Amino acid sequence: SSELTQDPAVSVALGQTLRVTCQGDTLRSFYASWYQQKPGQAPLLVIYAKDKRPSGIPARFSGSGSGNTASLTITGAQAEDEADYYCNSRVSSGNYVFGTGTKVTVL
Amino acid sequence: EVHLVQSGAEVRKPGESLKISCTGSGYNFPTYWIGWVRQLPGKGLEWMGIIYPDDSETRYSPSFQGQVSISVDKSISTAYLQWSSLKASDTAMFYCVRRDYGSGGGYFEFWGQGTLVIVSS
Repeated sequence: SSELTQDPAVSVALGQTLRVTCQGDTLRSFYASWYQQKPGQAPLLVIYAKDKRPSGIPARFSGSGSGNTASLTITGAQAEDEADYYCNSRVSSGNYVFGTGTKVTVL
Repeated sequence: EVHLVQSGAEVRKPGESLKISCTGSGYNFPTYWIGWVRQLPGKGLEWMGIIYPDDSETRYSPSFQGQVSISVDKSISTAYLQWSSLKASDTAMFYCVRRDYGSGGGYFEFWGQGTLVIVSS
């Protein structure tokens, strides 16, 4: 299967830690990347190659993964982290697939 | 500095054709795959397909195979997404992305600003 499944919504108190997970068989072969999307904006890459952060992404964002699961962790969530988050991975055909998306609410 | 600049919003009637564009600058355009992503109103991101500008090799997501056409003109550093007969259900925001590649697969650091396509009678 080339699907990536995410929890629809996650909430976290300001300053606490949250984890967003992404599950799919393709993650056994390829790393996940993670994208943050705020309303009215294009998505922003926050994690690539499972656990690498692009320049300019705060260190509170981290990635991990094992087996068929990838995770995005925000340690010390801030109000500005409230957004939709999507995982993405390559599939065996050489194409790519996005996860179903997780709406993160910071309380 | 890398930029992907997409063509402007479009309003079309069902059955009409449309071609939207994505122009890359600030890097060697032919040697990076360009992908297209759909986002229906209020919905998630969907992968449509990807093209390699240097030789026009194209891969479509099964959901979009036969529904759209992806092409490129590397002489003007521009990729295209085309419909021959639009449907109301094609109303969406479309993004182009540049694929970067590292160990374990690719990722998309650079995105176009998006092109809104509205199909309505």
